[in-house]
Amino acid sequence: ETGVTQTPRHLVMGMTNKKSLKCEQHLGHNAMYWYKQSAKKPLELMFVYNFKEQTENNSVPSRFSPECPNSSHLFLHLHTLQPEDSALYLCASSQDLTTGYSGNTIYFGEGSWLTVV
Amino acid sequence: QKEVEQNSGPLSVPEGAIASLNCTYSDRGSQSFFWYRQYSGKSPELIMFIYSNGDKEDGRFTAQLNKASQYVSLLIRDSQPSDSATYLCAVKGIVLNSGYSTLTFGKGTMLLVSP
Repeated sequence: ETGVTQTPRHLVMGMTNKKSLKCEQHLGHNAMYWYKQSAKKPLELMFVYNFKEQTENNSVPSRFSPECPNSSHLFLHLHTLQPEDSALYLCASSQDLTTGYSGNTIYFGEGSWLTVV
Repeated sequence: QKEVEQNSGPLSVPEGAIASLNCTYSDRGSQSFFWYRQYSGKSPELIMFIYSNGDKEDGRFTAQLNKASQYVSLLIRDSQPSDSATYLCAVKGIVLNSGYSTLTFGKGTMLLVSP
C-alpha cells in the first residue's frame, strides 16, 4: 500500500476533452511533484510545489495545468491534449528536500496511465 | 545544467552473480544519492540512499560513493530474476531558480537477470 494515491489509474480521453488527475499523499509531506514518463523514456519533471507554492515549472505546455490546494492534494488538469501526451503520469511527495535529514527523498504514487486518442 | 549519467544497458547477468550499476553526476555540491528500482509498467520505488564516502550495505544491496570522482554505484549480490528491472540513480542538489532542492534522475539502467 502506497502513501501516495493517484486516481484514476487509467484514463482515455479525446483531444477535445477536459479531465483531471488527482493525487493525495498521506505521509505528512510538504512538497509534491508531477512527473511524466513516456514509453521507454526517462522521467521528466513537470511541476514542483513546496508548501503549496509552485516552485518549478519545467517548460510544460499550458494544456497541462497543476493545482495544489493544500500540502496533501495535487491535481493535474488536462485540456486539448495531443496524442504525444500519452504517457504514465507520476505524482510524488517528499519532505522539503532543502533542509533536514539527508535521507529525505521523493516517494511516488502508482501512476496514472493516460491515453489520448 | 546538472546531469546524472547512467548506461542505459541492458546489463545482463546470470542468476547468483553480482550486478554492478554505475552512475556519475556533474554537480559537486550534490548532497545525497539515491537508488530507485522501477519494474516495467510500475512506479519507481526507493532501494537505498547514501551521503558519505564509502560503502553502505542493506541486505543484498551495497551502495558505494566516491565524491572526489563524482561517482556512485549499486552492487546487487546473489542476483535473482526478480531483480530484473530498471535502476534509477537520483542525486539531491539545489534547484537554482527557486532555491529549493530537488532530485535529478538519471535515465536508468535496465538489468536482466537470467535463470
